[in-house]
Amino acid sequence: DAKTTQPTSMDCAEGRAANLPCNHSTISGNEYVYWYRQIHSQGPQYIIHGLKNNETNEMASLIITEDRKSSTLILPHATLRDTAVYYCIVHYGQNFVFGPGTRLSVLP
Amino acid sequence: AAGVIQSPRHLIKEKRETATLKCYPIPRHDTVYWYQQGPGQDPQFLISFYEKMQSDKGSIPDRFSAQQFSDYHSELNMSSLELGDSALYFCASSYQVGPRYNEQFFGPGTRLTVL
Repeated sequence: DAKTTQPTSMDCAEGRAANLPCNHSTISGNEYVYWYRQIHSQGPQYIIHGLKNNETNEMASLIITEDRKSSTLILPHATLRDTAVYYCIVHYGQNFVFGPGTRLSVLP
Repeated sequence: AAGVIQSPRHLIKEKRETATLKCYPIPRHDTVYWYQQGPGQDPQFLISFYEKMQSDKGSIPDRFSAQQFSDYHSELNMSSLELGDSALYFCASSYQVGPRYNEQFFGPGTRLTVL
């Protein structure tokens, strides 16, 4: 079973920041938080991952709380092409366990 | 940049037939993963290989088998196909820097339809 809890769906206005929360209260010390997204029927796309510190790359920022029990993925300027299912995955070592994810709809 | 290649992209089979899906990982990646995604469902892990050895096993049916070859490509063999096997099958690859680091890159998937 997935170790994460995410909202089922969210809307975001185009050009605004999209903030996607994820709860992972049972995360263990050596587990990373990964974010992937899947645009309709395409292969999941890696976005970002982190362990303890906040991370930023060209796609997004990842904010992890100090107790590591939750995190937020931030898409700073959402576009229509960011409409997708976003998966938050807690992971160490091997295969990913995908949960239901958040269906983000970016609206014009 | 080179990505994960899967073939075929689409496959239609009859019940009880067999199917073989192929995956070519990103060059220098040593680990391959297979996932199955049924209609309206999330991807489910099937099996993985590291350096040509099976490394982890998920919810793969006994009718399915897989292997990784010397050139690191992988094949998923599916026998006695059932209607419920109709799904998207994704292959992902990664380079194992260590036991923790495991950024997986996914291919475009093979859509299998069983009639």
